[in-house]
Amino acid sequence: DAKTTQPPSMDCAEGRAANLPCNHSTISGNEYVYWYRQIHSQGPQYIIHGLKNNETNEMASLIITEDRKSSTLILPHATLRDTAVYYCIVRVERAAGNKLTFGGGTRVLVKP
Amino acid sequence: EAGVAQSPRYKIIEKRQSVAFWCNPISGHATLYWYQQILGQGPKLLIQFQNNGVVDDSQLPKDRFSAERLKGVDSTLKIQPAKLEDSAVYLCASSLRAGGSSYNSPLHFGNGTRLTVT
Repeated sequence: DAKTTQPPSMDCAEGRAANLPCNHSTISGNEYVYWYRQIHSQGPQYIIHGLKNNETNEMASLIITEDRKSSTLILPHATLRDTAVYYCIVRVERAAGNKLTFGGGTRVLVKP
Repeated sequence: EAGVAQSPRYKIIEKRQSVAFWCNPISGHATLYWYQQILGQGPKLLIQFQNNGVVDDSQLPKDRFSAERLKGVDSTLKIQPAKLEDSAVYLCASSLRAGGSSYNSPLHFGNGTRLTVT
């Protein structure tokens, strides 16, 4: 599976949009982009995923560039509860299951 | 729906002792994973089951770690004997069976067992 590059940390203001970048320049055509987050003392939590098109759900929006070499996770109105480590993962869907390979992630601190 | 259940929540043992962790996945989820997360790092896959069969155990230290998933539901992960470097959070996750509309299903994680080896 392709590797990803994320900034190690970032701060954002409560109530403002948080834009989390992810670089995956070696992504293959059949690899999906997944985002998970991990709040302190909890297991990772699925946020969103996409292949080519932009995606939106109740938690966030995922913007994937046309060449698919990078993506941005957008938390539209960050709250203090969004403070967490955010992981961007790219992987191929395999018949044997959906293994995820985690990198270091971005540590996001939402400030009042 | 009920989430992935793990126990115990915390465990402290001395090196060379043995320890076991238990996981109950979400009902109906055929795929089960055990991850190890060392402080400050992302989780690392140890073993993946599809029903009660092992799909991937390439990163499992088989000289000391073992896992089983009898009857394709609950799973246990065992370490015997433990080393200091095994101190970590052990996370269990599950997902729907790959195939068809569930092929792209996300993983659901439990809150893990924090192991401290002294």
